[in-house]
Amino acid sequence: NAGVTQTPKFQVLKTGQSMTLQCAQDMNHEYMSWYRQDPGMGLRLIHYSVGAGITDQGEVPNGYNVSRSTTEDFPLRLLSAAPSQTSVYFCASSNPGETQYFGPGTRLLVL
Amino acid sequence: RKEVEQDPGPFNVPEGATVAFNCTYSNSASQSFFWYRQDCRKEPKLLMSVYSSGNEDGRFTAQLNRASQYISLLIRDSKLSDSATYLCVVNRLRYSSASKIIFGSGTRLSIRP
Repeated sequence: NAGVTQTPKFQVLKTGQSMTLQCAQDMNHEYMSWYRQDPGMGLRLIHYSVGAGITDQGEVPNGYNVSRSTTEDFPLRLLSAAPSQTSVYFCASSNPGETQYFGPGTRLLVL
Repeated sequence: RKEVEQDPGPFNVPEGATVAFNCTYSNSASQSFFWYRQDCRKEPKLLMSVYSSGNEDGRFTAQLNRASQYISLLIRDSKLSDSATYLCVVNRLRYSSASKIIFGSGTRLSIRP
């Protein structure tokens, strides 16, 4: 089991560029989530999915889109990058009522 | 006021000391509780779940006080390898979707030789 994988590990973008952060899990988990972590702010939920074809907004969804066409994959799209989106992004997966497993994170810098 | 609050620390204690953290939560409908550990520049990992009766895992003891709405983590005989940030996690509804899982900002612990 690879668990939860994320690519890329690091990314530098210019303001206005778009990109997709990839997340995949091989544990057949129903739930997948995207968080961002900023210094002193803790983890904040961006978007989540409770199953293939179902997504919903979390606490800080603006500027991000997601889709869940398969159980395994949950990509996060930045539509037009802004410096305020500089952060560390974590993807997580779980089954209902169980603990979440996190990917290793993607460090994003927007100039 | 944040829904889950933790003392950010840092706690700087000598090796072998006992250290305790508290975490308060504001929503009385919260159902399940966890402590996660996060090493510098790494992803959070589950340390232990917190049960109403309290639970112990080696040197770690977690307790829940529903009346006062806080959970605690006690680390005995601390090791250098315990240095990390400890995240308090509260799940508002049992078997709920991810939107009800709230993370605290974390408490930094540094163990010195």
